[in-house]
Amino acid sequence: DAKTTQPTSMDCAEGRAANLPCNHSTISGNEYVYWYRQIHSQGPQYIIHGLKNNETNEMASLIITEDRKSSTLILPHATLRDTAVYYCIVAGGTSYGKLTFGQGTILTVHP
Amino acid sequence: ETGVTQSPTHLIKTRGQQVTLRCSSQSGHNTVSWYQQALGQGPQFIFQYYREEENGRGNFPPRFSGLQFPNYSSELNVNALELDDSALYLCASSLSDRRTDTQYFGPGTRLTVL
Repeated sequence: DAKTTQPTSMDCAEGRAANLPCNHSTISGNEYVYWYRQIHSQGPQYIIHGLKNNETNEMASLIITEDRKSSTLILPHATLRDTAVYYCIVAGGTSYGKLTFGQGTILTVHP
Repeated sequence: ETGVTQSPTHLIKTRGQQVTLRCSSQSGHNTVSWYQQALGQGPQFIFQYYREEENGRGNFPPRFSGLQFPNYSSELNVNALELDDSALYLCASSLSDRRTDTQYFGPGTRLTVL
């Protein structure tokens, strides 16, 4: 499974954009980048995923570098309710069906 | 559209007992995956069921077993419970298309083994 590396924690001011980086230098050609978040003691919530192109939905934007070795999740206007652990996961290909969660990034949004 | 539901919400068992956890898939989904999340850790993949058969398994012993039913709901059974089995057990459902596997998680069952 391709491994991901994320900062342990990040802070963001309410109303500002939160940019969460992820490195996945060993990603293979048929693997997707997924982002999930988990608010304390709840089930992980799907945010967005992508293969090579940038993606946007109602929650966030996903920017994937051209070489696919890293990506950034952007929450355009962070709110206090966005405080959570954010997981960047590489999945698909031979690891189809299995999501491998790392430690994630603890994002704290401050008033 | 109904999301993924799990029952029970909380459960307390003693060492050596057996437990069954239940999961109902999101409408239209045909695949169920189970994860174990110990306190302070990320979820760990236990196994996945597709068309009522196990379709991949993580590093868990055989005393962790599962079932998927024709309506795509699923059960996770754990025999001979150990103290380390205390965790949040998460079920996720997805619509398998053999390329992507966007999984949607339920709220989890908190199992405490005494």
